[in-house]
Amino acid sequence: DAMVIQNPRYQVTQFGKPVTLSCSQTLNHNVMYWYQQKSSQAPKLLFHYYDKDFNNEADTPDNFQSRRPNTSFCFLDIRSPGLGDAAMYLCATSRDGAEQETQYFGPGTRLLVL
Amino acid sequence: GQNIDQPTEMTATEGAIVQINCTYQTSGFNGLFWYQQHAGEAPTFLSYNVLDGLEEKGRFSSFLSRSKGYSYLLLKELQMKDSASYLCAVSSGDYKLSFGAGTTVTVRA
Repeated sequence: DAMVIQNPRYQVTQFGKPVTLSCSQTLNHNVMYWYQQKSSQAPKLLFHYYDKDFNNEADTPDNFQSRRPNTSFCFLDIRSPGLGDAAMYLCATSRDGAEQETQYFGPGTRLLVL
Repeated sequence: GQNIDQPTEMTATEGAIVQINCTYQTSGFNGLFWYQQHAGEAPTFLSYNVLDGLEEKGRFSSFLSRSKGYSYLLLKELQMKDSASYLCAVSSGDYKLSFGAGTTVTVRA
């Protein structure tokens, strides 16, 4: 089945220790998104890629970076995680990013910062 | 800015009907999505409305009034598996999907 896969499902890191979350998709979609969702809050868009074209949201902290080496994979790098970065990180894809397109989500990675 | 409001929690009995309201004030509107999110899982697409009116899809229906900035998701014949969070999301342009905080629905036997 075509899908969006995120690994790991749970990630524990230490305060200030860099961590990388990964996402892959078999949908062959052009657009990949990273969202941060804190408990009982709305998912918040961090950035998206259209193919290799990177687009950062204005209020995304510099501590968050992303890489998309090919169509299938996208990585979220948190350079120096703080306690406030503990959250669920959701990866999503859409075919071309048009306003009426459905976004397809992965199961998320829950990040715990100790 | 984007402002999307929905109730935090709702409880209903198995077999009943529940209506989840969503009001929005956004800079731009290109349609409204409803997603279902079970605890610890990914949001999954339920419905999309861009024109006023009711869209029915099995036990779930979604309504939109653009002039009022208002939508609702109607869940009929509730089942235990419908216990989940329901997210209202507004598309305000390419790549721009703004979510509400979600409504947690608990279905009781």
